[in-house]
Formats: sequence, structure tokens, C-alpha cells
Amino acid sequence: AQSVTQPDIHITVSEGASLELRCNYSYGATPYLFWYVQSPGQGLQLLLKYFSGDTLVQGIKGFEAEFKRSQSSFNLRKPSVHWSDAAEYFCAVGFTGGGNKLTFGTGTQLKVEL
Amino acid sequence: GAVVSQHPSRVICKSGTSVKIECRSLDFQATTMFWYRQFPKQSLMLMATSNEGSKATYEQGVEKDKFLINHASLTLSTLTVTSAHPEDSSFYICSARGGKDYGYTFGSGTRLTVV
Repeated sequence: AQSVTQPDIHITVSEGASLELRCNYSYGATPYLFWYVQSPGQGLQLLLKYFSGDTLVQGIKGFEAEFKRSQSSFNLRKPSVHWSDAAEYFCAVGFTGGGNKLTFGTGTQLKVEL
Repeated sequence: GAVVSQHPSRVICKSGTSVKIECRSLDFQATTMFWYRQFPKQSLMLMATSNEGSKATYEQGVEKDKFLINHASLTLSTLTVTSAHPEDSSFYICSARGGKDYGYTFGSGTRLTVV
């Protein structure tokens, strides 16, 4: 069965420090991949997505992610974290022929220390 | 950009009553809409997928008679929680797929509390 793993439930970083949130997936087909951010009591905002092409994807708010097929990973990075980045981050995966459905990881709660 | 409007944002209802949640794509036609349920500090659980003009496809374990989904047009889908009970209290989020990049856009969610 397909699955998405975000191994880090909580991450705390200092403001200005770099950030990497991990996402691994288990799919038989070529996936399309997303990172979303959710503030408390809110819906999900798309940070970036990968469908095909360049495996390094740039997103909003200074985020980027790199698709590594050999590692089945799509890690999210940001070189310098701002206090406003504190939120819940979800990785999601779908694949062609999967009925358009996305499978979400369990999320990573990011805390930013000032 | 693609915008999905979800209403209401919060609703409190009495046990045994029904509640309807609307999800509208404002500036694009949504070929597919999805309904999710999210428990506190947990991930999103897909409840059902709906395509305009056809019956929704429910995920395993989701009661189709309790969670009625209607996708009557390319811009509107509704979720009705029938005979609501306290255990139905949750955060419900819709998502619509469509637009020029065929991406997924999420609504802002509905906090349902059944008392």
C-alpha cells in the first residue's frame, strides 16, 4: 500500500537557522508531490509542488524541495527560518492512475525560537 | 490564483440534527472535489472523492449514509453530516482540483462541534 512518512513529529529551530523537513514515500508509480503548511484552525496552503522536470522545486515564502527518486524522498528546506514560519507542515503524494487522491503524511510541527 | 471558499467556518449543532458544509471553487471549475476530516494534531483523513454529476466515492470505513456528499456543479460541493453525534465533532476540510495547473486547492476548513 502507498504511504507517506514524515519522521519528525516536532522540530524546533532558532530564528535565522536553516530548516529541513523530511518526507519519504512508498509508491510503485511515478509520484507527484506537494508540501502544504497549516496554521491552527486554518486550511492548507500550498508551498510547492512537483509533477515532473527539474527535481529542485522553488516555492513560496523562500521554501524549496528536492525530489530524489533513488531515495523516495521530497525534503523541504529553507535557508533562514522566520518566526512566522511556525506551523504544521504536511507532505502529500499522489500518482497518475491513483484516482486523483492525495495521501498525506502525519505532519511536522515546527516551532521557531526567537 | 485558485480560490476555494468553504462555509461555515464554525458551526455548533445539537445532537441528532444535520449540518451542511459548502465548498465552492470561486475562479475555476473543479473537476474533482475531496472531503477530509482532521482530528486535533493529526493528519488529514480522506473521506470521499466527488466528481461533478456523479456519486461520490467513499473511503473504506466512512459511512455514506451519515456523510452525504453532493457535487451538483463544477463549482460547488456540499457535505451534509446527518443525525450528528458528539463523535462527529471534528475539523472538516474540502479540496478542489482544477484550474490551469490542475492543482489541488484547499478550503479554510469547518470546525464542527456537536453538543
